Amino acid sequence: QQQVKQSPQSLIVQKGGISIINCAYENTAFDYFPWYQQFPGKGPALLIAIRPDVSEKKEGRFTISFNKSAKQFSLHIMDSQPGDSATYFCAASKSIQGAQKLVFGQGTRLTINP
Amino acid sequence: DSGVTQTPKHLITATGQRVTLRCSPRSGDLSVYWYQQSLDQGLQFLIQYYNGEERAKGNILERFSAQQFPDLHSELNLSSLELGDSALYFCASSVWGGRNTIYFGEGSWLTVV
Repeated sequence: QQQVKQSPQSLIVQKGGISIINCAYENTAFDYFPWYQQFPGKGPALLIAIRPDVSEKKEGRFTISFNKSAKQFSLHIMDSQPGDSATYFCAASKSIQGAQKLVFGQGTRLTINP
Repeated sequence: DSGVTQTPKHLITATGQRVTLRCSPRSGDLSVYWYQQSLDQGLQFLIQYYNGEERAKGNILERFSAQQFPDLHSELNLSSLELGDSALYFCASSVWGGRNTIYFGEGSWLTVV
């Protein structure tokens, strides 16, 4: 019930292409779905986040698509650039009394070839 | 730079020993979180404090403990260390305790030999 499953584990995309990473969750009580980007030697950094009352959110080249009925959400990176090469984590949490326990997917290592 | 400061960055210690990891949250943040990142378990939530009080607990072992001090810095204590405790330990902070942006530090690499 607490798992978030992420795929693929690794992804190689040509520069200018679209990178797509998918996540599925089980717990319908989750009410916050962030995506984090992590570069080697750094901590995860929030990229974009969505709440379940919205089906899509776009920030620059990054878009989250959310399908509540299927309990799935995905990250689309448009016009992928070599600087986007990093590990991406989806996550989910439910807020209870001011607590936030992020449940992370296993991560996707994205490589953008120049 | 997220503004979250963790020390030490790297630590090598022997099995059975005890270590303390330290975290200074971003200025103004009242909530501190600890996460463990390992190859087999991924990123796992350990514990959250808000303004000095424990707010949420995750998969934190009984050998591990944490606290948040009045100046809001936090420490994670790991005792009776085992080889399997080798991991990257992240501290993170946020303004308040609920659904808001969490900022991660760069982590403390712990190697148990």
